[in-house]
Amino acid sequence: QQQVKQSPQSLIVQKGGISIINCAYENTAFDYFPWYQQFPGKGPALLIAIRPDVSEKKEGRFTISFNKSAKQFSLHIMDSQPGDSATYFCAASIYQLIWGAGTKLIIKP
Amino acid sequence: NAGVTQTPKFRVLKTGQSMTLLCAQDMNHEYMYWYRQDPGMGLRLIHYSVGEGTTAKGEVPDGYNVSRLKKQNFLLGLESAAPSQTSVYFCASSSTVGLASYNEQFFGPGTRLTVL
Repeated sequence: QQQVKQSPQSLIVQKGGISIINCAYENTAFDYFPWYQQFPGKGPALLIAIRPDVSEKKEGRFTISFNKSAKQFSLHIMDSQPGDSATYFCAASIYQLIWGAGTKLIIKP
Repeated sequence: NAGVTQTPKFRVLKTGQSMTLLCAQDMNHEYMYWYRQDPGMGLRLIHYSVGEGTTAKGEVPDGYNVSRLKKQNFLLGLESAAPSQTSVYFCASSSTVGLASYNEQFFGPGTRLTVL
């Protein structure tokens, strides 16, 4: 019940396209849902986060969509750029962060 | 302001050897964490600390020990390294402003450990 399932494992998107990464959870007590971005050779860094009292949060080209009833949330990257190529982790928190397995995103020029 | 730093960046051990990984943060954060990252498994919490002198077990604590003698430092020890401990180790820290679970974790650059 503590798991966060992330899909897909890897994703290739053309430059200018929309990248979509999905996560699902079981524990309804989770109260914070961040996304972290990790470039090769670096540690993860917070990208955007949402709390379950809102259904969407947008920061620039990055949007989190949150579906509380379905226990799912997703990251959308609009107008994807080669600089967005990285590994993305979703997570869910109640006292501690529970991490998804990660999605390796490649944006083709 | 260096953020979170980790020493060393790379290390190769033989089975049975011991070593200590050092994490340091200059943000005056109360919370510190040690994670391991393995392909296809995301980040798994090994141990964490909610303040100087306190430590607690995470998801995968076996084979590791930690100490937090100073607020800015969090040490991860491997007493008798095993090949299963080959991984990339990340240290992170976060503040306690508001609810800790909402706070951004700041990560170091990682230590790549290989156990032969």
